[in-house]
Amino acid sequence: GAGVSQSPRYKVAKRGQDVALRCDPISGHVSLFWYQQALGQGPEFLTYFQNEAQLDKSGLPSDRFFAERPEGSVSTLKIQRTQQEDSAVYLCASSLLAGGPGLPFFGPGTRLTVL
Amino acid sequence: GQNIDQPTEMTATEGAIVQINCTYQTSGFNGLFWYQQHAGEAPTFLSYNVLDGLEEKGRFSSFLSRSKGYSYLLLKELQMKDSASYLCAVSDNPFGNTPLVFGKGTRLSVIA
Repeated sequence: GAGVSQSPRYKVAKRGQDVALRCDPISGHVSLFWYQQALGQGPEFLTYFQNEAQLDKSGLPSDRFFAERPEGSVSTLKIQRTQQEDSAVYLCASSLLAGGPGLPFFGPGTRLTVL
Repeated sequence: GQNIDQPTEMTATEGAIVQINCTYQTSGFNGLFWYQQHAGEAPTFLSYNVLDGLEEKGRFSSFLSRSKGYSYLLLKELQMKDSASYLCAVSDNPFGNTPLVFGKGTRLSVIA
């Protein structure tokens, strides 16, 4: 596609439910990043993939958060047993290269609300 | 540690010039990015500085001083559509494509 797409755009979950958020990066982009953005804050890093390899997951806030990118393109961020503090916008970004600073292009985000 | 500071909010008048400052302290440095983010939308790339000096791109310019850990984004001839959050972000690893570290963003309101 022309840009990074994410689905769903909005998700409401009851506390304790599991959710799965999908990211379709720009075709051919090697690097993929997940960020969490709370209201009125800047994006905070969650995890990073280079192709199918998860190179950094230091930003995942707990073991309830899990991400995968099995074929090096589409990625899924899964949150198990959601809590109210998980409510945020989850942004996905992709960039073309594996080396250098790159230029991440962001998707529109998934706004997760946990009731 | 990593620390990126920018003002929380700014207000400016349509047609005027506004400067949004950003200071950073990171373990490494491989470039500074500015993104614009309208409410409910994705951040969109505005500028990238890796060397000291001013980069001009139309109504937007960005300046970097690596020795001072300082950058600013200059917006000229402000338009109402420039009302948005402006995010300063640093790439802190010169050896790879690592995640950007973002500031909290500056919410700019352009008034008539």
